[in-house]
Amino acid sequence: TQLLEQSPQFLSIQEGENLTVYCNSSSVFSSLQWYRQEPGEGPVLLVTVVTGGEVKKLKRLTFQFGDARKDSSLHITAAQTGDTGLYLCAGADTGNQFYFGTGTSLTVIP
Amino acid sequence: KAGVTQTPRYLIKTRGQQVTLSCSPISGHRSVSWYQQTPGQGLQFLFEYFSETQRNKGNFPGRFSGRQFSNSRSEMNVSTLELGDSALYLCASSLMWQAVQNTEAFFGQGTRLTVV
Repeated sequence: TQLLEQSPQFLSIQEGENLTVYCNSSSVFSSLQWYRQEPGEGPVLLVTVVTGGEVKKLKRLTFQFGDARKDSSLHITAAQTGDTGLYLCAGADTGNQFYFGTGTSLTVIP
Repeated sequence: KAGVTQTPRYLIKTRGQQVTLSCSPISGHRSVSWYQQTPGQGLQFLFEYFSETQRNKGNFPGRFSGRQFSNSRSEMNVSTLELGDSALYLCASSLMWQAVQNTEAFFGQGTRLTVV
């Protein structure tokens, strides 16, 4: 059983389009992180959110932590080919266990 | 500063053999976590070591083991290899254990293990 479910699993869009990736759980998380992994590399941290309702922006990427701290979303505006990769959410639950999500594979077509 | 170094990058083993993978964390980091990544199962947590002690363990059989040395370098060992053990094995290093808020994990490039 995966504690953090991401949707969609695969996403293929045209350059310039917007997209949203979701990370959902039935458990409460004390903090949640988003990573991006490119082929042949390890995941790289993009952002950490810790407060329910928190919104963080990183250039064209907007991250939101749900009010109840059970879910999160990543919105990309005007996607570019450089955004292609595997997006992973990860978090620590209130029992201090750390989990990675199921992943969303994004392909941005030029 | 130097990143996380995993060796070897690629490995081919036959069923029944054993394998040892190595991870050198970022200098000053005391936590090393190991993950198995496969297309079907995603990123699965193996174990986490902090200051030479196993702090946490995932749901893997006893064939998977690890250790951490006093210099924080870590090794993981898989005995009696099975075809299903073929995967990318990633290690991550961090200052504190990963469940601590705002702890950033830095990943190595991984070791690609193929069992034939």
